[in-house]
Formats: sequence, C-alpha cells, structure tokens
Amino acid sequence: EAGVAQSPRYKIIEKRQSVAFWCNPISGHATLYWYQQILGQGPKLLIQFQNNGVVDDSQLPKDRFSAERLKGVDSTLKIQPAKLEDSAVYLCASSLPGTAAYNEQFFGPGTRLTVL
Amino acid sequence: AQSVTQLGSHVSVSEGALVLLRCNYSSSVPPYLFWYVQYPNQGLQLLLKYTSAATLVKGINGFEAEFKKSETSFHLTKPSAHMSDAAEYFCAVSANTGNQFYFGTGTSLTVIP
Repeated sequence: EAGVAQSPRYKIIEKRQSVAFWCNPISGHATLYWYQQILGQGPKLLIQFQNNGVVDDSQLPKDRFSAERLKGVDSTLKIQPAKLEDSAVYLCASSLPGTAAYNEQFFGPGTRLTVL
Repeated sequence: AQSVTQLGSHVSVSEGALVLLRCNYSSSVPPYLFWYVQYPNQGLQLLLKYTSAATLVKGINGFEAEFKKSETSFHLTKPSAHMSDAAEYFCAVSANTGNQFYFGTGTSLTVIP
C-alpha cells in the first residue's frame, strides 16, 4: 500500500514570495490533515478536510495561508506572501473517516520550507 | 482544552538499558493519548494509543505506556533500548469526541552503543 506522498520535499524562498505544497493521501482515506512543525516544536494542525469539505481550520492563518481539496483526493497548501516565521516542515496526513482521535493518521515525509 | 508536556527534550540511554520518556497531560474531558515516533526526514508513525480501555497499552517495537489518571501521566517505556530506537518521540492528546490533536514539543532519544 502506497503511503502519503508529498512534494516538494524541500523548498527555499525569499520572504514575500508565494509557495505551494502538494499532498496525495492514501487511497480511500477521506480525511486529510495539514500540520505545521516548527523546529523544536510538535506539529500543529492547520486544517482538516473530510472529502472536499473543511472540518477544522481554526488554526490556519487565513490572511496568508489557503488550502484546497477540490476533488476530495489530493490537496494543496499555499502560502502567499511568506514570512520568515513560516519556516517549518509542513506535514500532510490522512486517515479513514471519523474523529482524529479514533482513526490512525498516516503521515507523509513532509516538505521543509525555508524562508530567507 | 487539552495540552501535553514532555519532560526532557533530550534523553540518552545505553543500548540494552531501560527507555523512559515522560509525558504529562492536561484535559478538561476524558482524553485520548498517543505516542508517535519520527525518524530523520520521515513523517510521524503511531507507536501506541490510549482510548479509555486498558490503562497499560502495548505498541509496536516493544514500547508500552501506562495511563495514570491520578498522576495525569502517560509515560512511554521500553525494557531494552536498541540502536534503531534513536528518533524523536512525540506525545499527543485529543478529546475523545474531537478532531484536534495537541502534540508535545518532542523528546529526542539517543542510544549509546
């Protein structure tokens, strides 16, 4: 079974530029999550999708971050414009439908973003 | 609201020694508790989870954790460390009815030959 795929694995940009990350979840997983993991901290949930609908985006900085999952499969996370404090690893995870507490989340390898 | 505190950002043990990684939680509702492991340049992998059934939870790779409500703790242990256990370990909490996970800041485990 293929795991969660993410690309690119690494990205370096200058502040005020835009960047996009892509995630393809495990086949059949209706729930998709994006996390931000700043160096030295644990992952923080940015947004959760159930199919193509948003379940929770309470911690997404909506003035600069956006995410979509138009067909309920793969997803993109965009930052526009980027700030220095956005430097982090962005993790995508997927799970079967249901609450995050009940169903195991499977994580991708992450995209490491460096903002200069 | 839920949160977890991991005591010790770095832990070193000798190969074959006991591994003990500490996690204390705070939750206003019955919690679900999790331990994840992250190897370098990889995503997180679930080691084990507590979902209000047995208080002693066994996970993969010989790890286990015990839920102690009186101490609000969920410490991770392994009787004998292997070199392959060197990684970052994260404790996380979630409400049993919710979707939001709250991760700790992680503990980096080093295994000394």
